[in-house]
Amino acid sequence: AQKVTQAQTEISVVEKEDVTLDCVYETRDTTYYLFWYKQPPSGELVFLIRRNSFDEQNEISGRYSWNFQKSTSSFNFTITASQVVDSAVYFCALSDVFFGNEKLTFGTGTRLTIIP
Amino acid sequence: DSGVTQTPKHLITATGQRVTLRCSPRSGDLSVYWYQQSLDQGLQFLIHYYNGEERAKGNILERFSAQQFPDLHSELNLSSLELGDSALYFCASSVSPPGQRGLYNEQFFGPGTRLTVL
Repeated sequence: AQKVTQAQTEISVVEKEDVTLDCVYETRDTTYYLFWYKQPPSGELVFLIRRNSFDEQNEISGRYSWNFQKSTSSFNFTITASQVVDSAVYFCALSDVFFGNEKLTFGTGTRLTIIP
Repeated sequence: DSGVTQTPKHLITATGQRVTLRCSPRSGDLSVYWYQQSLDQGLQFLIHYYNGEERAKGNILERFSAQQFPDLHSELNLSSLELGDSALYFCASSVSPPGQRGLYNEQFFGPGTRLTVL
């Protein structure tokens, strides 16, 4: 069975601080994908990143960076120089790929509040 | 804009009633996934349809059913509604050909339908 754990329920930081959101996953598959989604107050799910299990390179996109470590089954997300617009709920998700059914297993989410 | 549309945006109904949520996938996408986001259960997978056929079921209640039509739009039917069914229901679409292990096809999420059961 797959499981995604986001131990941080809520985080508040002052604007311009860096913040890291933790994600730990469990799967028995050797081929899987990890994701981060952002859910702003408006409610839609915004895709941020996808990483497959064979690619452990860290990725940076502007102020966002992701650290994937298979050894610790973690896929952490860092926002540098946070901004008020970053306030949202962030979900980590996992998908194995089994006969074309890429259902996503989501963590419980981390509510991030950026204080101006 | 993901290209996935969901109607209605909001739905308010009473316990015991039946509602239908509609999802139109992106052009060319053959798969539709339904997810429920509730305070109790978080975001969870309900059901997956590919090209009109059910492919997988998650934690979907027997009171709920879905189908995918020949034009590939999908409907999620919720009946005998209870207060606990109040949630945000998302659909997502992907190309998702079956039988290709290891080949991932991205899911694009619609804006969701917020269901309130009073």
